[in-house]
Amino acid sequence: AQKVTQAQTEISVVEKEDVTLDCVYETRDTTYYLFWYKQPPSGELVFLIRRNSFDEQNEISGRYSWNFQKSTSSFNFTITASQVVDSAVYFCALSEAPGSGGGADGLTFGKGTHLIIQP
Amino acid sequence: NAGVTQTPKFQVLKTGQSMTLQCAQDMNHEYMSWYRQDPGMGLRLIHYSVGAGITDQGEVPNGYNVSRSTTEDFPLRLLSAAPSQTSVYFCASSYSGAHSYEQYFGPGTRLTVT
Repeated sequence: AQKVTQAQTEISVVEKEDVTLDCVYETRDTTYYLFWYKQPPSGELVFLIRRNSFDEQNEISGRYSWNFQKSTSSFNFTITASQVVDSAVYFCALSEAPGSGGGADGLTFGKGTHLIIQP
Repeated sequence: NAGVTQTPKFQVLKTGQSMTLQCAQDMNHEYMSWYRQDPGMGLRLIHYSVGAGITDQGEVPNGYNVSRSTTEDFPLRLLSAAPSQTSVYFCASSYSGAHSYEQYFGPGTRLTVT
């Protein structure tokens, strides 16, 4: 069975600080996909990134960066120079390859990290 | 494109009542799914469909029914609402499965069962 753990329930930082959100996953599959979603106070889910298990390259998109390490089963998310607009709940999620293991074809989400950026 | 639409946005039910949450997408996506979000629990998969006429259970299917008669629509039925079903419900769609590059989520339906 697959599992995603986001150990940080809530993080509060002052604007312009860097912050890293941790994500640790468990899966028996060799092919899988990892995602990060943002849920701002308005409640919608905003897609941030998808990574497949064969691509361990780190990714940077503006102030956002992601560090994927298969050796530690982690897919951490860093926001550089945080801004108040980054305040949201962030979810890490995992999907196994379709047809693998006979499990449901869906995303397994972590419980989320509530990020508060104080001005 | 409207993307993924959900109706209603809010609903209050009494215990034992039934209702249908509507979900529609106009992107010709084969895969659609329903999740529920409870405080501190993340999102959990209820049911999903990989195409018209095909549905399957997710992690928390009890108390919910689905059908997929068209590619566009994937309604979620609560047969006899219970307070434990108080939650925010999200519908999602993608081209070919949960592993697809992006799941498009609807805006959610906030359901309260008293």
